[in-house]
Amino acid sequence: DAGVTQSPTHLIKTRGQQVTLRCSPISGHKSVSWYQQVLGQGPQFIFQYYEKEERGRGNFPDRFSARQFPNYSSELNVNALLLGDSALYLCASSLEGRLGYGYTFGSGTRLTVV
Amino acid sequence: AQSVTQLDSHVSVSEGTPVLLRCNYSSSYSPSLFWYVQHPNKGLQLLLKYTSAATLVKGINGFEAEFKKSETSFHLTKPSAHMSDAAEYFCVVSDRDGTASKLTFGTGTRLQVTL
Repeated sequence: DAGVTQSPTHLIKTRGQQVTLRCSPISGHKSVSWYQQVLGQGPQFIFQYYEKEERGRGNFPDRFSARQFPNYSSELNVNALLLGDSALYLCASSLEGRLGYGYTFGSGTRLTVV
Repeated sequence: AQSVTQLDSHVSVSEGTPVLLRCNYSSSYSPSLFWYVQHPNKGLQLLLKYTSAATLVKGINGFEAEFKKSETSFHLTKPSAHMSDAAEYFCVVSDRDGTASKLTFGTGTRLQVTL
């Protein structure tokens, strides 16, 4: 079985542009979460989706948005990119998205904003 | 909110010697705790998880962790380090944020393994 797949693996954008990152969860997993990992730090929670509904969002500006599709895949959109948005963006899938369930992470999308 | 504190930002051991990576947690109820490993330029891999069953949790690659409520600790150990263990290790707690279930990561411990 395929794990969590993310695309693209690397991306370079210019300040002010918009970017869309994609994630396909493990087959059968209904919950997808997004995390941002800035170099040298631990990942920070951005969003959680379950059954196509937003369960919650972290402390990120409205420039960040996401959605989950009927097949449980997900997209993360970031508008008006800033240099500080440069980071590794990680997608995690979970069977039910409840406390205590394990989360499987993808390899991430490395976003560089210049 | 729950949180975790990783007590060492960097740990260096010789190959074949024991590994100890320390983590303390702060929680108002019985937490779900995890250890993840991240190799350079890679994603995160789950090593093990504690979810209020056995207090001694065995994970992959010979790692284990012991949940000690009296000490609010969840330290990661391995009897004998291997060169391939060199990586960044994160202690993580699963927390409720409104209706979301989110992971809160510690700051990470970089494990260096020398010959």
